[in-house]
Amino acid sequence: DAGITQSPRHKVTETGTPVTLRCHQTENHRYMYWYRQDPGHGLRLIHYSYGVKDTDKGEVSDGYSVSRSKTEDFLLTLESATSSQTSVYFCAIRHRDRAYEQYFGPGTRLTVT
Amino acid sequence: GQQVMQIPQYQHVQEGEDFTTYCNSSTTLSNIQWYKQRPGGHPVFLIQLVKSGEVKKQKRLTFQFGEAKKNSSLHITATQTTDVGTYFCAAMDSNYQLIWGAGTKLIIKP
Repeated sequence: DAGITQSPRHKVTETGTPVTLRCHQTENHRYMYWYRQDPGHGLRLIHYSYGVKDTDKGEVSDGYSVSRSKTEDFLLTLESATSSQTSVYFCAIRHRDRAYEQYFGPGTRLTVT
Repeated sequence: GQQVMQIPQYQHVQEGEDFTTYCNSSTTLSNIQWYKQRPGGHPVFLIQLVKSGEVKKQKRLTFQFGEAKKNSSLHITATQTTDVGTYFCAAMDSNYQLIWGAGTKLIIKP
């Protein structure tokens, strides 16, 4: 599983509160991704990173920001959570030795009430 | 932007029957990947197809990439309860990011 962990695994928060999700990897992979998964939509890319302090937007980046100050950690922040951001969030890495294959963390289930 | 259409959304089969899911794109794909997600789990990489007309097999699973590189399929022969889950295709865009199909959920009838 490429040593990927996510925290927290479950979170319930109220509308308007800030939320930060953490992804941690132990194998020094350069590329990291944040996806959200909703029924009927597959996975949709929120943001990705191609190195420390190097990030870019994905398909559904509005309302989200990211930071990567260390190779091993990629943080996803919802500045002011909304009910539409209730979802399952997956972090993934692109394996540096296996062309373009992605490996996923266990996911974080976020509920915004 | 680039889209990948995956059908069907669900497929109910009796154990022992075959299962097939299809992915289609209106544009030529550089490659396509397949992932499996068990209920409550995370997506797990299965295979990547790169060449036109490529066929790869993993035990009871057969993956095909169309001659025009615009479609792909995953076929499972003689399904077992361990095959239950959602199967996703994902195509790489020009920025090397994955564009995901919506998935096909394999359900074994009791």
